[in-house]
Amino acid sequence: QLQLQESGPGLVKPSETLSLTCTVSGGSISSHTHYWGWIRQPPGKGLEWIGSIYYSGDTYYTPSLQSRVTLSADTSKNQFSLKLTSATAADTAVYFCARQGVVVVAFDYWGQGALVTVSS
Amino acid sequence: DVQMTQSPSSLSASVGDRVTIRCQASQDIRNYVNWYQQRPGKAPRLLVYDASNLETGVPSRFSGSGSETEFTFTISSLQPEDIGTYYCQQYDNLPPWTFGQGTKVEIK
Repeated sequence: QLQLQESGPGLVKPSETLSLTCTVSGGSISSHTHYWGWIRQPPGKGLEWIGSIYYSGDTYYTPSLQSRVTLSADTSKNQFSLKLTSATAADTAVYFCARQGVVVVAFDYWGQGALVTVSS
Repeated sequence: DVQMTQSPSSLSASVGDRVTIRCQASQDIRNYVNWYQQRPGKAPRLLVYDASNLETGVPSRFSGSGSETEFTFTISSLQPEDIGTYYCQQYDNLPPWTFGQGTKVEIK
């Protein structure tokens, strides 16, 4: 059974970089049929797709965050990561990692989510 | 970017009722819509992909339909475990992939 688990600091200071890692077990991020994505959800609000990465390093991001976001993948560790620079209170959210299909762009496996608060 | 307008934002229905949620896309997106359920405090769960295909293991009381700009998600007989928030998500030709605003479903 595929499992995803987010990890990283739960508290980030304003203007600093928010960093999270997703560890995948029960399957490989080197799959040719899947991307690996990040989605966030501010408290009490809806879902926002942040970006997705292919094992080869191919990435795409949502335009509103593109200038501050970097996704990377480490196939040797079966992990992929998110970095969001210049964090503000508006970046406070639960961050989910998820598996995304290449052909059908649906998120079929999700991590449990990690709450990241941006505050001094 | 394709915008998804979801309605209603919330609804309250009795156990056994038929529940319908709608999403309207800002442009023709063929059948590229997925539906998710998010129970309180949990990650979203994929229920329907490509507008009308039920994900493996999802109860048959859930269904989806629609194409182009109008999409519908239906629970044929609402059960207590169905409470939560439901989201549509589109994936037209190019990113960004966007979600509807969500519909909170409660039991009356």
